[in-house]
Amino acid sequence: EVQVSQSGGDLVQPGGSLRLSCVMSGFMPRRYAMSWVRQAPGKGLEWVASISDDGDSAFYADSVKGRFTISRDNSKNSMYVQMNRLRVEDTAVYYCVGRIDYWGQGTLVTVSS
Amino acid sequence: DIQMTQSPSTLAASVGDRITITCRASQSIGNWLAWYQLKPGKAPKLLIYKASSLQSGVPSRFSGSGSGTEFTLTISSLQPDDFATYYCQLYDTYSQFTFGPGTKVDLK
Repeated sequence: EVQVSQSGGDLVQPGGSLRLSCVMSGFMPRRYAMSWVRQAPGKGLEWVASISDDGDSAFYADSVKGRFTISRDNSKNSMYVQMNRLRVEDTAVYYCVGRIDYWGQGTLVTVSS
Repeated sequence: DIQMTQSPSTLAASVGDRITITCRASQSIGNWLAWYQLKPGKAPKLLIYKASSLQSGVPSRFSGSGSGTEFTLTISSLQPDDFATYYCQLYDTYSQFTFGPGTKVDLK
């Protein structure tokens, strides 16, 4: 059975930093691209970032480029996103996604003073 | 960047209705199109991938069609569990992972 476990969501002040983590099991995540997707309150789904299977290539939405860094550790079946210079508009539930079909439960990031 | 649009934005329907949601891409995306169902407090659920392939475990009343720039999601007989918001998604590579704005299916 595939399991996707997320952690790291929290309340943080504008300008602050946060790191989200995701651990996958039950399939071979190291063979696939992985992504972060978010949903702000009352809004639709927004792709945030993706990383290639080997971790060599990373891609970002314009809204987070230069502030967020996606990474993965295939030895731990894990993926991360380091979020710096957080803004109020980054407030959202963040989902870890393996391929396109394996989604985590979501973790809430709240950016507020 | 490729933009995705959906219509309608809201759809009011009754149990048993046949409904269709349309998704359009600003340029051809082949068949790299997925459909998701989203309910409050839950992770998105993949329904359709590669435009018309039914994800394992998804009821056969869901179907997808289209290629290039125009795609449709059809629910042949709406069930109470189907009232939700539906999103299309371009996923041709991990650098193109764009969602449509969503279609909310409400009870008439």
